[in-house]
Amino acid sequence: GAVVSQHPSWVICKSGTSVKIECRSLDFQATTMFWYRQFPKQSLMLMATSNEGSKATYEQGVEKDKFLINHASLTLSTLTVTSAHPEDSSFYICSASHPSSPLHFGNGTRLTVT
Amino acid sequence: AQSVSQHNHHVILSEAASLELGCNYSYGGTVNLFWYVQYPGQHLQLLLKYFSGDPLVKGIKGFEAEFIKSKFSFNLRKPSVQWSDTAEYFCAVNAPNNNDMRFGAGTRLTVKP
Repeated sequence: GAVVSQHPSWVICKSGTSVKIECRSLDFQATTMFWYRQFPKQSLMLMATSNEGSKATYEQGVEKDKFLINHASLTLSTLTVTSAHPEDSSFYICSASHPSSPLHFGNGTRLTVT
Repeated sequence: AQSVSQHNHHVILSEAASLELGCNYSYGGTVNLFWYVQYPGQHLQLLLKYFSGDPLVKGIKGFEAEFIKSKFSFNLRKPSVQWSDTAEYFCAVNAPNNNDMRFGAGTRLTVKP
């Protein structure tokens, strides 16, 4: 079964609203979670690295005020897309890791902003 | 929905040995294929990708992969591995008209010096 649960799997929202995506590690404690975004016809792009209990580290070009990441516990990280716009429509995927555990991926979230 | 199978969970090689990691996918249509690597403590990095054209794809760090459509396979190869290749390798697939990406379970490669 899945060891990383990502929710929702898809979401449609109106422009200007905010959307929260959850990434949960189900049977291990994830000290680090990564958030990726995939643009059409491209490979994954790392958005940020989320460490439990500390601020996320954002990649260059990723707006931290727009993509809010919270990693409040060892089993949950959230990505909130604030004031979403159509250009934010994309596929977002998280992965979770622990030093003694292999990397696991969520099933991704397809966000469509209308 | 597409799925991705990586046959080997853990591969152990000595330096200079040749590497081949298997990847098969289940999707009947046209797909884009990727190999990613994760070095210990780091995030994913793209090794190579196939969208169309020459089925033999060259990537970074001496890696290559061959897309065999009839076998639904996209195996990763390297003629001579180095200790620094120790990492976890992930195969991934998505359809061009579908933004969703699916990953294999990963193969851990350990290269002994």
